[in-house]
Amino acid sequence: RKEVEQDPGPFNVPEGATVAFNCTYSNSASQSFFWYRQDCRKEPKLLMSVYSSGNEDGRFTAQLNRASQYISLLIRDSKLSDSATYLCVVLNTGFQKLVFGTGTRLLVSP
Amino acid sequence: DADVTQTPRNRITKTGKRIMLECSQTKGHDRMYWYRQDPGLGLRLIYYSFDVKDINKGEISDGYSVSRQAQAKFSLSLESAIPNQTALYFCATTEDSGTDTQYFGPGTRLTVL
Repeated sequence: RKEVEQDPGPFNVPEGATVAFNCTYSNSASQSFFWYRQDCRKEPKLLMSVYSSGNEDGRFTAQLNRASQYISLLIRDSKLSDSATYLCVVLNTGFQKLVFGTGTRLLVSP
Repeated sequence: DADVTQTPRNRITKTGKRIMLECSQTKGHDRMYWYRQDPGLGLRLIYYSFDVKDINKGEISDGYSVSRQAQAKFSLSLESAIPNQTALYFCATTEDSGTDTQYFGPGTRLTVL
């Protein structure tokens, strides 16, 4: 079983739609969680950290469910520019290394 | 100017050749990482370094070696390239804490024929 699992998609949505991605992680000792965004053939960039209480940054909301070991990302009012691959990332606390999911691809169409 | 740079950006080489990928950063971070990315497999850690005297193997270090020449420079070498090392390679840096943002270089697309 992969340490971090995501649905690869693609998720095809129209502009203005709300879309949600989930991610599950296997290491119950994981302490820190993130969403990174990666545009085609470009480097990943931090989108947002995920906190236990849930957090919001504009149209983006991230939530963490420790009991079920999953992380979610909600995007409201999708824009064409949101088209990208979203990487779920978990910190392996013991080794101080990030573990990346394979990513979920989002395509927003006019 | 970019904070994390990688050279070359693209490289085509032949099986058995030695190749070096270079990474430089101006962020003043101690921690540096090398990843490779393959379709369907995501980013996988090759090597990482927490300071100039500290080098550690990641999950897929076989066939690779690294050199941390200075705080700002971290090089990845393929001593004898093979076709399954064809991938997109990223260098990344972060501050002291593992919870800090990782900043990635633009990547090197390597093809081994």
